[in-house]
Amino acid sequence: AQSVAQPEDQVNVAEGNPLTVKCTYSVSGNPYLFWYVQYPNRGLQFLLKYITGDNLVKGSYGFEAEFNKSQTSFHLKKPSALVSDSALYFCAVRDRRAGTALIFGKGTTLSVSS
Amino acid sequence: DGGITQSPKYLFRKEGQNVTLSCEQNLNHDAMYWYRQDPGQGLRLIYYSQIVNDFQKGDIAEGYSVSREKKESFPLTVTSAQKNPTAFYLCASSISLADGSYEQYFGPGTRLTVT
Repeated sequence: AQSVAQPEDQVNVAEGNPLTVKCTYSVSGNPYLFWYVQYPNRGLQFLLKYITGDNLVKGSYGFEAEFNKSQTSFHLKKPSALVSDSALYFCAVRDRRAGTALIFGKGTTLSVSS
Repeated sequence: DGGITQSPKYLFRKEGQNVTLSCEQNLNHDAMYWYRQDPGQGLRLIYYSQIVNDFQKGDIAEGYSVSREKKESFPLTVTSAQKNPTAFYLCASSISLADGSYEQYFGPGTRLTVT
């Protein structure tokens, strides 16, 4: 069965420090992986995706993610966190049963303190 | 939130009433989706449509219905058969890109409360 796991419900980091939000996946074949961000009572905003190619993917707002096939992980990273990065982050993988629909993790709340 | 509109933003209904959530997109995307978001559970797929006049059930379709009569519109009806309809509902659309990949874009969501 296809699935996505975000092992941390919440990540706390001080402004200016690097941040990592973890994601692991389980799919058959090559995965299509995505990261989205959600601010309170808003829709999801696309951050970045991995389809193929370079394992380090760069996205919006200074975020990047590293695809690791052997560890089946796709962790989201940023070198220097901002207070405005505080939000709910979702990792997702293509649902091969449902066209181009996505299977989402349960989300990780990122809190950046000043 | 791109070119996807959902209305209304907040919706209140009495138990036993059907309610229809609107989703319109002006992105010319072929595929559209409905997800349900509950606290701590992520997003779960209700229905999806790859083309006009065709749609498929997702993981939690029971108690919901959809139609796709126009490319730009994908309304969701929450029926009285849905046992726990209070949730945040998100509509999305996607386009396939030249490199074979795709991206989904989300609307702002509708928060439905049923009492």
